[in-house]
Amino acid sequence: DSGVTQTPKHLITATGQRVTLRCSPRSGDLSVYWYQQSLDQGLQFLIQYYNGEERAKGNILERFSAQQFPDLHSELNLSSLELGDSALYFCASSGQGAVNTEAFFGQGTRLTVV
Amino acid sequence: GENVEQHPSTLSVQEGDSAVIKCTYSDSASNYFPWYKQELGKGPQLIIDIRSNVGEKKDQRIAVTLNKTAKHFSLHITETQPEDSAVYFCAASREAAGNKLTFGGGTRVLVKP
Repeated sequence: DSGVTQTPKHLITATGQRVTLRCSPRSGDLSVYWYQQSLDQGLQFLIQYYNGEERAKGNILERFSAQQFPDLHSELNLSSLELGDSALYFCASSGQGAVNTEAFFGQGTRLTVV
Repeated sequence: GENVEQHPSTLSVQEGDSAVIKCTYSDSASNYFPWYKQELGKGPQLIIDIRSNVGEKKDQRIAVTLNKTAKHFSLHITETQPEDSAVYFCAASREAAGNKLTFGGGTRVLVKP
């Protein structure tokens, strides 16, 4: 158990809908990262938050947004969903401010858009 | 931005043999190189990592080597066991980018008993 909790584990929704994925980082970790894993694209970095503020952005679509709350949990919002958004979404967290520390991944949320 | 290439994409070995996975990276400023193991239905799990001030690191049956000049790093698994069967990912990051990881495409390892 990595200590990173993601909910829900599975999500099935229709095209055009909006969903929210939730992540609780390891206790004490200030950084949260979101990654998308699809069959043809591998693990792609989406966005990073550190202590409530956006720190780095990857190839995240404009239809996607995220935030990190004062209790350090994070949510990834996906809107106007398309079939191609079907993927595994992982959250990872890492330590208190130090760079290049270990990143621990949650079990992921499998999103299926039908 | 950083680009990480990983080879091979699949690897089949006999139990007890060694497995080697190789990665190259493009950003010479990258200084942290973790390896993750992903089992079916689970998230990636860190198995070993190496920083740019070290050339080699070993943890029991797993070792990683780093050649900064050539910008490549490798994972070596010795005495493979069936439970080593999984998908392995290499990744790279640089200090200025925090811990944002750029991943290789993954290697599916199958250890045949």
